[in-house]
Order: sequence, then structure tokens, then C-alpha cells
Amino acid sequence: IQLTQSPSSLSASVGDRVTITCRASEGISSYLAWYQQKPGKAPKLLTYGASTLQSGVPSRFSGSGSGRDFTLTISSLQPEDFATYYCQQFNIYPLTFGQGTRLEIK
Amino acid sequence: EVQLVESGGGLVQPGGSLRLSCAASGFTFIDHYMDWVRQAPGKGLEWVGRTRNKANSYTTEYAASVRGRFTISRDDSKNSLYLQMNSLTTEDTAVYYCARAFPFNNHWYFDCWGQGTLVTVSS
Repeated sequence: IQLTQSPSSLSASVGDRVTITCRASEGISSYLAWYQQKPGKAPKLLTYGASTLQSGVPSRFSGSGSGRDFTLTISSLQPEDFATYYCQQFNIYPLTFGQGTRLEIK
Repeated sequence: EVQLVESGGGLVQPGGSLRLSCAASGFTFIDHYMDWVRQAPGKGLEWVGRTRNKANSYTTEYAASVRGRFTISRDDSKNSLYLQMNSLTTEDTAVYYCARAFPFNNHWYFDCWGQGTLVTVSS
């Protein structure tokens, strides 16, 4: 299953509302997770099951969608949110990731 | 606190072999599926493979790019995960992450990651 994220890169300002989309090449029900990765660091789980927020993740992050179309929304960008974001499907093998969305400071 | 610590990375020549280890602590290792995920320099994340838990007979799954060359194993008595990599090519150069999987409706996602270990395949 191929996952296509858009946009591939995004410039935004602190306080902005940002939405990243992830489209699957076929339906994956709600078996989608979102990860945040900062340079030189391991990825960090943000949401799973399309919309369940991982414990400890700030509530400004939210996920939605099912089937083929999913979104990750950050309601009010904070300085620590500038990073690369990946979606990942865990419905079927091989497990796959989107190509990533780089979120940069405007 | 859940901890995953990878080791064993380094420089290896094309055609060579390397074995990575991941030491787990802070959770009941035997209960979890465990995965390896890699990231080539400047590139995105690529799933390498998975070992299921004892309850699911330690069966494994692999990405097509590594099947037949890489082998994932685990030793629950040592809370350790392994990745045996053979016939390495320059395309295998990457940071290799160990990841714990957690179930959601019997589908398993990665909820914790190690810090990664760098494997460089070069002559």
C-alpha cells in the first residue's frame, strides 16, 4: 500500500493552524499512525488508529480519517513542532510510510 | 520507563555481514511484537521487518528489499531483539531503529523507538 503525503514541505508561523494529508492507495480502515521526527532523533508516535492521541502528546495535535484519506492537524503551532511528519499504515504487510512532510518556520 | 538501545552498527564492506542488537527494558518484552525500521541518510522511514511474540509463535515478516538477506530473531530471556544482515549492499546504508509494537484491534503500530544505530556499507 502506497501512502502519499501532501504537502511534501510546508512553511508556517507560530500560532498557525496546519493540516497534513495522507492518502492510501487502497483502503486501510483506521489502521494509520502519525509520527514526528526531529533532526538526529528517533520518530515519536503522535496518533494511532487514525484519531487516537498517544498519551503525553499535546492536545493541539489531532488525527482524523478512515479508508483512504487521513489528516493530521496541529491547531496552533508551537516552536517545538517544527519537524518532519510521517504517516504509516499498519493494516497490511509490508508496513509502509508516507514520504514525509517537512514543516519549517516561516 | 520503556527503553530500547540498539548496538552493533558500523562500517562494513559490500557483500559483508553485520548483526544488530536491541536491548529492551521497562516493559514485558515477551508480550510484544518487535520491529526494525531504517532510514537512509536524508531519506524517509522504511520498515525492515517484524517478529511476532511468543503467543504468535515468533513468526516473522520482511520487506521485499531485505527478504532472504536479513533475519530477525529475539531472545526473550535476555529481553533482546536482533537483526542479522547478510549480503549487504550500499543501498542498506542507513540508521537502523528498533521499535516496539503495540496492538490496536490486533493490528500493531510502533509506539516506542530506540535511538538508532548507523550502518554504513562502503568499500
